[in-house]
Amino acid sequence: DTAVSQTPKYLVTQMGNDKSIKCEQNLGHDTMYWYKQDSKKFLKIMFSYNNKELIINETVPNRFSPKSPDKAHLNLHINSLELGDSAVYFCASSLLVADTQYFGPGTRLTVL
Amino acid sequence: AQSVTQLDSQVPVFEEAPVELRCNYSSSVSVYLFWYVQYPNQGLQLLLKYLSGSTLVKGINGFEAEFNKSQTSFHLRKPSVHISDTAEYFCAVRYGSNYKLTFGKGTLLTVNP
Repeated sequence: DTAVSQTPKYLVTQMGNDKSIKCEQNLGHDTMYWYKQDSKKFLKIMFSYNNKELIINETVPNRFSPKSPDKAHLNLHINSLELGDSAVYFCASSLLVADTQYFGPGTRLTVL
Repeated sequence: AQSVTQLDSQVPVFEEAPVELRCNYSSSVSVYLFWYVQYPNQGLQLLLKYLSGSTLVKGINGFEAEFNKSQTSFHLRKPSVHISDTAEYFCAVRYGSNYKLTFGKGTLLTVNP
């Protein structure tokens, strides 16, 4: 029943590793997003895909690579993890590009 | 630069008291305004939104907000809060045709018995 789901919920890993976070939405939306929430709870957009096409690509290190295999899925792959990557990552989706966004439960990434 | 300011980082109140959480945005171009709530260790849930029409919008859980264009504000109010309203509240703005949603830094509402 979950509208926007993310896996895993928690991810603990060592510096230098490569990891992926997956997001799926069953709302039939065309647009999906990745946000990063830092330790001070500040939320910032990272990427957005519309119909599998990248439309927002903020100033994010190129160690971060989003992939959208289809409209319902948006995954985030992170190479060579650094301590500063520790954060909560939220996926969101909206029906169309400028519509209301609905958020997933978040993935708490801890880099040791 | 387009920004969103939530003036209070923390707001402690007693149960059944009224509360107002303040939000101001930076630009006078057309805006679309949102309030989200984040309960501890959970994702963001949409409380309410202003897209057009009546400047007073009502949301879930008894919250409402008023869009004030002259003051570039979108303050969130509730006449009587419950312990269960304890959460982080985020104001967010989409400016004009910009795809991006810009968030404020959040206000932690703590409701005490």
